[in-house]
Order: sequence, then structure tokens, then C-alpha cells
Amino acid sequence: ILNVEQSPQSLHVQEGDSTNFTCSFPSSNFYALHWYRWETAKSPEALFVMTLNGDEKKKGRISATLNTKEGYSYLYIKGSQPEDSATYLCASLIYNQGGKLIFGQGTELSVKP
Amino acid sequence: EAQVTQNPRYLITVTGKKLTVTCSQNMNHEYMSWYRQDPGLGLRQIYYSMNVEVTDKGDVPEGYKVSRKEKRNFPLILESPSPNQTSLYFCASSLYLGDGYGYTFGSGTRLTVV
Repeated sequence: ILNVEQSPQSLHVQEGDSTNFTCSFPSSNFYALHWYRWETAKSPEALFVMTLNGDEKKKGRISATLNTKEGYSYLYIKGSQPEDSATYLCASLIYNQGGKLIFGQGTELSVKP
Repeated sequence: EAQVTQNPRYLITVTGKKLTVTCSQNMNHEYMSWYRQDPGLGLRQIYYSMNVEVTDKGDVPEGYKVSRKEKRNFPLILESPSPNQTSLYFCASSLYLGDGYGYTFGSGTRLTVV
């Protein structure tokens, strides 16, 4: 089983702080990298799907970058708000793994007012 | 409203009693998948389906069956549930694998096997 690693496991920040987390994935046979936001008692929601090396995507205060050659992606949150508190999941889609989207264990973000 | 509907949301059952968790999507998605979520282990793929009558094993298929007889439905079947299948289950779908939009997830089914 190929591993997708996320760090840190959890993060506690104050409202207004900017933060970022890392997703590491196998760089060989890369096809796509997904980011999801998962709030407690809800289901995961897609944030970004990224495929090209050097790609950068943005949605409001959240942005993500992708390096497929070295196998990592960063998710940034600018000016964190309490409503950003959630678990952020990344998942990697690999060419020779058929239909398997492999998830990391997530980074749990808590933003205190 | 575009959605993935899972039923039931919560289920407590006994070891060995066959059960089915239903999953239905109304977006005409080709790709559907089942995951289980366990503490410390993340989301692990059980089975997936690229289209009608096309299914394949994920990383943890033992003890589960699926079928895809029509595009909208992808039920998960536990023929003889055991306590190690106690978990939170998610069904997810996308237009096709790698479609650029990501998965749409169902609300989850929390299963307890005693």
C-alpha cells in the first residue's frame, strides 16, 4: 500500500494566525492530488484537485501548491478563523493503482477566538 | 440538490447478521467508492466502481461485497459482519476518476457490530 503522509497531525492556532500544513505522496506515476475539508459530524468536502507540477489553487483565504517531482503539496490558510476548524485531508491518485484514491490521515486544525 | 445519499446513518447489529448499507447518487456519476474511517488509520478504500458492472477491490475488501447494477446505486454488503467491521463508512462518487472536481461524499454510516 502506497503511503500518503500529512503533517502535523494537529495544529492549534489563534484567530488571525496564518498556517500551513504538508502532504507528502509518492511522486512516481502521479496523476492527481486532492485536498478535502472535513468538519466534525459532517462529511468531507472537496477543496482542490491539482494535477500539474507547480500548480497553485486558491479559494478565498485557502490556497494550495503542488510539487509533483518531489512529491509534496502545501495547504495554506491566511488569517485563520474559528470556522476554519476542521480536519484537512489530502489524497493521491496514482496511475498504476487503478481506481484507488489514497488518503492521508489528516491534519486537525483548531482555531481559537 | 446534487447529493450522495447513504442509509442508514446509524446501525447496531449482531455478529453474523447480514446487512446492506445503501448508497445512491443523483449526479449521473460514473465513479463510486466505499471507504471506512477508523481512528488513527484515516480513510481506507474498500471497493470502487468505474461504471455499471465494473467493480474492483480497494485496500481493505475482506468481509465486504458490492454490486453496481445501475449507475446511481452502489450498495455495500456485509454477508457476516464481525466486530472488527465496527467503523464509520463513507460512500463517495465523482463524474469519473480524475475529473478535476474531487469526490462528493455521503453523510456516513456509523456501524457497530456486537
